[in-house]
Amino acid sequence: GAVVSQHPSWVICKSGTSVKIECRSLDFQATTMFWYRQFPKQSLMLMATSNEGSKATYEQGVEKDKFLINHASLTLSTLTVTSAHPEDSSFYICSARDQVSGEETQYFGPGTRLLVL
Amino acid sequence: QKEVEQDPGPLSVPEGAIVSLNCTYSNSAFQYFMWYRQYSRKGPELLMYTYSSGNKEDGRFTAQVDKSSKYISLFIRDSQPSDSATYLCAVNSAGTYKYIFGTGTRLKVLA
Repeated sequence: GAVVSQHPSWVICKSGTSVKIECRSLDFQATTMFWYRQFPKQSLMLMATSNEGSKATYEQGVEKDKFLINHASLTLSTLTVTSAHPEDSSFYICSARDQVSGEETQYFGPGTRLLVL
Repeated sequence: QKEVEQDPGPLSVPEGAIVSLNCTYSNSAFQYFMWYRQYSRKGPELLMYTYSSGNKEDGRFTAQVDKSSKYISLFIRDSQPSDSATYLCAVNSAGTYKYIFGTGTRLKVLA
């Protein structure tokens, strides 16, 4: 199946710093990627849809200036958490939309655990 | 009413049991139905993808969709301790890329 990677897998940072998370589709091209946030024992919450070559589409309640998304190529999307605070601590997961297979499927990365001190 | 409802569990079964996991949804426009498995501290892994009503089988897993009842199921035969995970159902409509996820059901298969 299609493989999506994320880097880093976990990060600890001080409050006020910015953190960049990378999401890569390794064996397919993805014009659309998605960024989710997941709290412990809860389901995935869609934060934004990342479109290659255009601006991301953010879900209601998600601050676009705080969660910067860049989708510069067909295999890479980045999420930057700017001026991170402890309440931003969470599990961030990306997914990539596979259009080539003919099935409307999303493949997920392994996730990035962020802890803001 | 949530668009997708899923019993959070936890569900505990003995090894070898048949497991039935279920979701209901409210919007008849949903046409694509997915099941994901998520181990603790990992990303979701696609198990099954189905389109419209009917059954789809893959090894020990069978996905079932009943559009008339707005009900989707995942059956796991001969369950193994390695199946212990959270199972998430997801739905979406034609023409939109966004998935709507259930809350996930935590499954524990006891050896």
